[in-house]
This record gives sequence, C-alpha cells and structure tokens, in this order.
Amino acid sequence: EDQVTQSPEALRLQEGESSSLNCSYTVSGLRGLFWYRQDPGKGPEFLFTLYSAGEEKEKERLKATLTKKESFLHITAPKPEDSATYLCAVQASGSARQLTFGSGTQLTVLP
Amino acid sequence: NAGVTQTPKFRVLKTGQSMTLLCAQDMNHEYMYWYRQDPGMGLRLIHYSVGEGTTAKGEVPDGYNVSRLKKQNFLLGLESAAPSQTSVYFCASSRAYYNEQFFGPGTRLTVL
Repeated sequence: EDQVTQSPEALRLQEGESSSLNCSYTVSGLRGLFWYRQDPGKGPEFLFTLYSAGEEKEKERLKATLTKKESFLHITAPKPEDSATYLCAVQASGSARQLTFGSGTQLTVLP
Repeated sequence: NAGVTQTPKFRVLKTGQSMTLLCAQDMNHEYMYWYRQDPGMGLRLIHYSVGEGTTAKGEVPDGYNVSRLKKQNFLLGLESAAPSQTSVYFCASSRAYYNEQFFGPGTRLTVL
C-alpha cells in the first residue's frame, strides 16, 4: 500500500527564516511526486512535479528536491504570503490515475 | 478562463437526502476526479474519469456515484447521505499524459 508522511505537521517561521518541509513516501515504483499549496478555504494549487531521484525544481522562494525515499520543499527567506498548507502526493507506476496524498504541513510565516 | 468550477459551494443535508455536486472545467482536459478532504486524513480519491462516458472507482467510492456525459462536466451524486459523508469535496482535472491535477474551490457538505 502506498503511503505518504509529511513532517512537521505545523511549522512557524519568522519572515526571512529559511527551512525545509519533508515528505517521506513508500510506493511500489514512483511515477511522479507532486507538491501543492493550499490556502484556507480553497482548493490545492499545483506547484511542482518530480519524476526521478536527484531531480530539483524551483519557483520563486521554493525549491523541491527528490531522493528515492523522500522529497524536501525548501523555503528560502519566506514571506508572510508563503503561509499555507503544503501537500505532497505520489503516483505509483501502474496506478491508473490515483494520487496518494499526505496530510500536509501547515506553514505560518510571521512578519 | 475559469479553470475548474464547482457548484454549490456549501450545502447542508439531512441523513437520507440525496444531492448532486457539479464540476465543470474549461481547459479541455481529458481526465477528471472527485476527492474528499477530511481533517488529518489528506485528500482521498472517490471516483475518476479518463474520458467522456467512462468512470472508475478510487480509494473511497462507497456511497457515491458519478457520471461524465460531457467532456467538460463531472457529476458526483450521493443517493442517501450519511453523517460520515460530511466533508469538503474537491473536483480536479488533468491532461491525458501529464498528471498535474488542477483543483476547483471545493464544496463544503454537512450531513446532519
């Protein structure tokens, strides 16, 4: 059974204080790993897709990396507007379309 | 370009009542999905569709039915609502080859 565990559950940072969110996964062959951002009361917003170990993707202050067992979302010099819940999901090879999501990390960036 | 829209935004039902949630997308995506999101459990796939006229079961399909009569629309039905179906429901869509899914704003459903 595919599993995704995100840590920490919640993270509070001061503006400018860089940190990383972790996504550990167990899957029978990884087809893709996805990062989403979700603001309160809204639907998830797609951020990145990673396909193979060693791959990295960047967008503004966010950088996602992937190993064979986990992915990290690095946030450099965060701003209050980066406050949101960050979701990680995996798709297994051979699965028709199913994504398995983690429970998310709720990030709060204080001014 | 509205992306993915969902109707209604909020709904309160009594146990045993039925309802249909409507999802529409204007991105010409082939694939569409229905998820539910519950506190501490993450998003779970209910049903999905890989094209007009086709549907398939996801992780938690019991108590729900779906239909995809038009490419741009995906309907989720609850025939006899139960309190366990209280949740936030999200619709999503994606292109056929790439699995980046684009989500709607959600429907908050409460079953009393």
